Amino acid sequence: AQSVAQPEDQVNVAEGNPLTVKCTYSVSGNPYLFWYVQYPNRGLQFLLKYITGDNLVKGSYGFEAEFNKSQTSFHLKKPSALVSDSALYFCAVRDNYQLIWGAGTKLIIKP
Amino acid sequence: DTAVSQTPKYLVTQMGNDKSIKCEQNLGHDTMYWYKQDSKKFLKIMFSYNNKELIINETVPNRFSPKSPDKAHLNLHINSLELGDSAVYFCASSPGLVDTQYFGPGTRLTVL
Repeated sequence: AQSVAQPEDQVNVAEGNPLTVKCTYSVSGNPYLFWYVQYPNRGLQFLLKYITGDNLVKGSYGFEAEFNKSQTSFHLKKPSALVSDSALYFCAVRDNYQLIWGAGTKLIIKP
Repeated sequence: DTAVSQTPKYLVTQMGNDKSIKCEQNLGHDTMYWYKQDSKKFLKIMFSYNNKELIINETVPNRFSPKSPDKAHLNLHINSLELGDSAVYFCASSPGLVDTQYFGPGTRLTVL
């Protein structure tokens, strides 16, 4: 069965520093991978996805993610964090007709 | 222009009551979903409809019944509400099966 893991419940980063939110996956076949963000009291918003092609995927709000097949990872990154990036981030992988979601990582950016 | 809308935003009710949550999307998408997000923010798929046909029906108590009158609407009816039903319920839509999903703002259900 497909699965996705976000090993960190919370990530703390100082404003202006680079950030990484980790995601690893387990799939049979080629993975379709997604990142979503949830701001407080809001619905989830799509950030980016990997289906095929370049291993570095660029998305909304300056985020990017690096697909690494050998490490079965799809880490979310941003070169310079903003306080407004503070939110809950979800990684997801396609499994037939649904997405399997990670447990979420709370990102806190401190001024 | 709201893409995926849900009503109501907040719902407070007593145990044993029956309630409905409505969802509408104006994106022209074929697929719609209901998710439950618990107090620990864990997301669980409940149902998925594609072109008004039920595709996913996860292990959800049969007190929960989705209804899709047309492709733009997917409503959720809950009978005999229980304390454990308290959660945030999200509706989402996508162009097709397992495309990028677009979420509504959520309905916070509190059962007293």
